[in-house]
Amino acid sequence: DVKVTQSSRYLVKRTGEKVFLECVQDMDHENMFWYRQDPGLGLRLIYFSYDVKMKEKGDIPEGYSVSREKKERFSLILESASTNQTSMYLCASSLTPWAGELFFGEGSRLTVL
Amino acid sequence: DQQVKQNSPSLSVQEGRISILNCDYTNSMFDYFLWYKKYPAEGPTFLISISSIKDKNEDGRFTVFLNKSAKHLSLHIVPSQPGDSAVYFCAASDSGGYQKVTFGTGTKLQVIP
Repeated sequence: DVKVTQSSRYLVKRTGEKVFLECVQDMDHENMFWYRQDPGLGLRLIYFSYDVKMKEKGDIPEGYSVSREKKERFSLILESASTNQTSMYLCASSLTPWAGELFFGEGSRLTVL
Repeated sequence: DQQVKQNSPSLSVQEGRISILNCDYTNSMFDYFLWYKKYPAEGPTFLISISSIKDKNEDGRFTVFLNKSAKHLSLHIVPSQPGDSAVYFCAASDSGGYQKVTFGTGTKLQVIP
C-alpha cells in the first residue's frame, strides 16, 4: 500500500512564525501535491511538483512556498504565518504523469493565533 | 472561479436506499473525473473514476455516470450503508497537461440506519 506521511497532525503557531509542513511518500511517485481544505471551499491546490527540484503553482500559492530536494519528500513552507492560513493541509502523491489517482496523507491541522 | 461544483452541501439517505451525489463542471478541457471519500480526521481516499470516453463506470455498489454535453456527473451508491457516511468530493482534470486535479466543495452524506 502507498503510504503518504505528514509529519505533524496538529500544529499551533503564532502570527509571523515560519512554519514547515513535511510530507514523505514511500512509493517512488513522481508527482506530489499540497492542498488545503476549508469548509465550504473544498480542496484547493497550493503547489505541486512533478519532479525533484521542480514545482508549479496551484490555484492559491500566495503566502506559501515549497521545496522538493528528494523524490520522496515535499515540504510546504509558510514564511510568515497569518491567521487566514489556519486550515487543514493535505499532502498527496500520484504515479501517473497525467491525471490519475491521488494518495493522500492524513492531513495537518494548522492553527495560527 | 469554481470550475467543479457540488451544489448540495449535505444529503441524508435511509440505509438500503440509493444515494445520488451530483457534480457539475465548467471547464470543457476536463476529460478525467474522480470521486473521493473522506472521513473526519483522515485524508481523502480514491473511490472511483471515469474517463470522458465513457459515460458509465461501475465498481460494486458505486456507479459514476458522466453526461459530457451537460458537463455533469453523478455518483450512485446502491444500497447505501451507514459506513458510507462521509464527505464525498468530486474532482476533475485535464490529462493533456501536467497533472492538476481540481476538486469540488464536497457533499456530506449521512446514511441513517
